[in-house]
Amino acid sequence: AIQMTQSPSSLSASVGDRVTITCRASQGIGKDLGWYQQKPGKAPKLLIYAASSVQSGVPSRFSGSGSGTDFTLTISSLQPEDFATYYCLQDYNYPRTFGQGTKVEIK
Amino acid sequence: EVQVVESGGGFVQPGGSLRLSCAASGFAFSGYELNWVRQAPGKGLEWVSYISTSGGTIFYADSVKGRFTISRDDAKNSLYLQMNSLRAEDTAVYYCARAIVVVVAGTRGDGYDIWGQGTMVTVSS
Repeated sequence: AIQMTQSPSSLSASVGDRVTITCRASQGIGKDLGWYQQKPGKAPKLLIYAASSVQSGVPSRFSGSGSGTDFTLTISSLQPEDFATYYCLQDYNYPRTFGQGTKVEIK
Repeated sequence: EVQVVESGGGFVQPGGSLRLSCAASGFAFSGYELNWVRQAPGKGLEWVSYISTSGGTIFYADSVKGRFTISRDDAKNSLYLQMNSLRAEDTAVYYCARAIVVVVAGTRGDGYDIWGQGTMVTVSS
């Protein structure tokens, strides 16, 4: 199975900060990667698919980039509602595998 | 409103069985691929199983293969997960997730765009 490694596992940031989360795949996966946001007690929410396509309704401050093995989720200006845990998910093959998550906390 | 609602979770002893259901509404259920994803308490997300639109293609995580069975009933707009030989490590919130298929630069991929609220499964003696 493809292993997805996210970094950092957690970060502290302030409102207005630019935040970058990375995800590395154990083998090349093209652009077959999505990013999800999860708030406590809630279901995950799709933010980005195909590495860089923003899901409908997602604010433009969220963007994704990368291909092959290295991917990035960027929040250009962190807002109060963005404090959450973020996961990457490879959809290159089965079994699907998630990264371990990155918790974004308030500084 | 487009939504999926899980049910069927509960408390079960090790070795027992449960059947989870996911009822869909607001969209053409038969045209979508579906997945189960779980999350153990305080842990990250784990993909569990996939079923194609026809039900003819199915995949499982190694951790549940041979014990769990995914199925769908398009006439009832419902997805199921039959869980047998349950273990303590199966304790988790189980989510039903709809997949949207995307084709970018000739490559097919997907994203899970609709999720339910989850149903809790607790396996303990």
